[in-house]
Amino acid sequence: QSALTQPASVSGSPGQSITISCTGTSSDVGGYNYVSWYQQHPGKAPKLMIYDVSNRPSGVSNRLSGSKSGSTASLTISGLQAEDEADYYCTSYTSSRTLVFGGGTKLTVL
Amino acid sequence: EVQLVQSGAEVKKPGESLKISCKGSGYSFTKYWIGWVRQMPGKGLEWMGIIYPSDSDTRYSPSFQGQVTISADKSISTAYLQWSSLKASDTAMYYCAINTKSGYRFFDYWGQGTLVTVSS
Repeated sequence: QSALTQPASVSGSPGQSITISCTGTSSDVGGYNYVSWYQQHPGKAPKLMIYDVSNRPSGVSNRLSGSKSGSTASLTISGLQAEDEADYYCTSYTSSRTLVFGGGTKLTVL
Repeated sequence: EVQLVQSGAEVKKPGESLKISCKGSGYSFTKYWIGWVRQMPGKGLEWMGIIYPSDSDTRYSPSFQGQVTISADKSISTAYLQWSSLKASDTAMYYCAINTKSGYRFFDYWGQGTLVTVSS
């Protein structure tokens, strides 16, 4: 199974909105509503930000939202803040009953 | 409070064996799948595999099948990731994680990570 495709980097200014895409196939992203997103700051463990495409765990800012269309999922962060600068990873359940991660996207807040 | 506490950093030589651990507390250990995730230096996250401690049902990523062994000892609430013959390319941070909602389609709790360095 191949890693899901994410842009290597995105950037935005404070207060702006950005969207990170995550493209897979009909065997993963397109086949299940089981896409999740993680934030990872340098030297830290990943943190769950979105699960099952668009659900936010308790305590995660409502500035984050997730969506999916076909085999592409998206994470949108609105009202960018300096603390949002981190690496973001998507993951999806697959038809092989495994999970697969995306390659990761580095978000820079200008 | 749910906690996953992993064993400490390891420095090994190529060809050596290794078993790292992940101890769960604050929840019923047999109730949730425990997975392992690799992060090579400066690289992204990779899903390695997962185990259901209640019956030891285990699933592996094709990339890691045959390369590592995932196991669990429910009597001491601990999951393991082991190698029989390490390679330099196994140098990475390894995280354990669980899903406390349903199944294993995402991870909502993570361990602190175990750094494995393999060098001659």
